[in-house]
Amino acid sequence: AQSVTQPDIHITVSEGASLELRCNYSYGATPYLFWYVQSPGQGLQLLLKYFSGDTLVQGIKGFEAEFKRSQSSFNLRKPSVHWSDAAEYFCAVGASGTYKYIFGTGTRLKVLA
Amino acid sequence: EAGVVQSPRYKIIEKKQPVAFWCNPISGHNTLYWYLQNLGQGPELLIRYENEEAVDDSQLPKDRFSAERLKGVDSTLKIQPAELGDSAVYLCASSPGDGINEKLFFGSGTQLSVL
Repeated sequence: AQSVTQPDIHITVSEGASLELRCNYSYGATPYLFWYVQSPGQGLQLLLKYFSGDTLVQGIKGFEAEFKRSQSSFNLRKPSVHWSDAAEYFCAVGASGTYKYIFGTGTRLKVLA
Repeated sequence: EAGVVQSPRYKIIEKKQPVAFWCNPISGHNTLYWYLQNLGQGPELLIRYENEEAVDDSQLPKDRFSAERLKGVDSTLKIQPAELGDSAVYLCASSPGDGINEKLFFGSGTQLSVL
């Protein structure tokens, strides 16, 4: 069965520091992978997605993620965090041939000024 | 372009009362989803529509939950009667197509509190 694990419930970083949010998935074939961000009181917004090809994908707001098949991971990174990046981040996996997205439990990011 | 619109934004009811949530997807989006988001959890699919047809409602607790999408546009999700455990955020999302590679556009959600 598909599953997504986000091992970090909370992460705190200083503004300007680099960021890496972890995501591990379980799926038998090549998954479709997504990162969404949810700001307080807002719906989820897609940051980036991976289906195939280059394993390093660029997204909006300066985010990038790298797909590593050997580690079943799809970690989200940003070289320099801004205070406005404080939000909750969800990793999701979708199985090709279905319409089901499985979301992780999320990582809440706090940014210190 | 207007986004996915949900109302109400907040709802507080007593247990055993009925409640309804409304969603207006982005114009032209044929696929509509209702997700449940419990506190500290990721969204979980309740039901997916392709136009007016519910194509996946396997996760919808049909004893108390119902949904409809008349004319394949707006959708309503209803709970009757509500239970304490239904307190959560109910998210509506839409996408232009029905593939797993489609980007989902989410509304701001309805936060339900059952007392």
